[in-house]
Amino acid sequence: SQKIEQNSEALNIQEGKTATLTCNYTNYSPAYLQWYRQDPGRGPVFLLLIRENEKEKRKERLKVTFDTTLKQSLFHITASQPADSATYLCAPRGSGGYQKVTFGIGTKLQVIP
Amino acid sequence: GAVVSQHPSWVICKSGTSVKIECRSLDFQATTMFWYRQFPKQSLMLMATSNEGSKATYEQGVEKDKFLINHASLTLSTLTVTSAHPEDSSFYICSAESGSSYEQFFGPGTRLTVL
Repeated sequence: SQKIEQNSEALNIQEGKTATLTCNYTNYSPAYLQWYRQDPGRGPVFLLLIRENEKEKRKERLKVTFDTTLKQSLFHITASQPADSATYLCAPRGSGGYQKVTFGIGTKLQVIP
Repeated sequence: GAVVSQHPSWVICKSGTSVKIECRSLDFQATTMFWYRQFPKQSLMLMATSNEGSKATYEQGVEKDKFLINHASLTLSTLTVTSAHPEDSSFYICSAESGSSYEQFFGPGTRLTVL
């Protein structure tokens, strides 16, 4: 069955540093991979989508890489801020319409001032 | 940007009653909507996939007669928890996907507490 692993349940980093979160997947060949942010008691907020033919994608301080050989995606937040503290979820997805999205448990990021 | 709303944001009900949760895409047409359930400190678990005008596809282990899903229009899907019991208490979240992109946009969630 499909399995998604995110590197750790919690990651603490100092403000200003780069946070790197890992998402590994097995028994799956997604065409897309999405990253979301979730704050406690709230629904996930879409951040970035990267396609299988894209190696890297950037949006402001965020960068996502997608390595289909390693079956891994890395999510980077540069110049991290306390406001970046949240749980980050990765979600691989197949191609075509009506595809369900499976979520990992997420990595809880804490940026320490 | 794409906005998805849910109503109500929280609900408390007695055991045995039914609860309806609405999910609306406010500024785009959603060909597909998804319903998730999330227990504390756990991942989002997909319950069902709903396509406008057709029957929902339920995930294994999700009782379709207990969790009724209706996707009557391109902007509205509803989830009805029938004969709710305390073990149904959870955080229910919907998401909507437009036909033009594969980005999923989530609602803010509905906290259901069954006494």
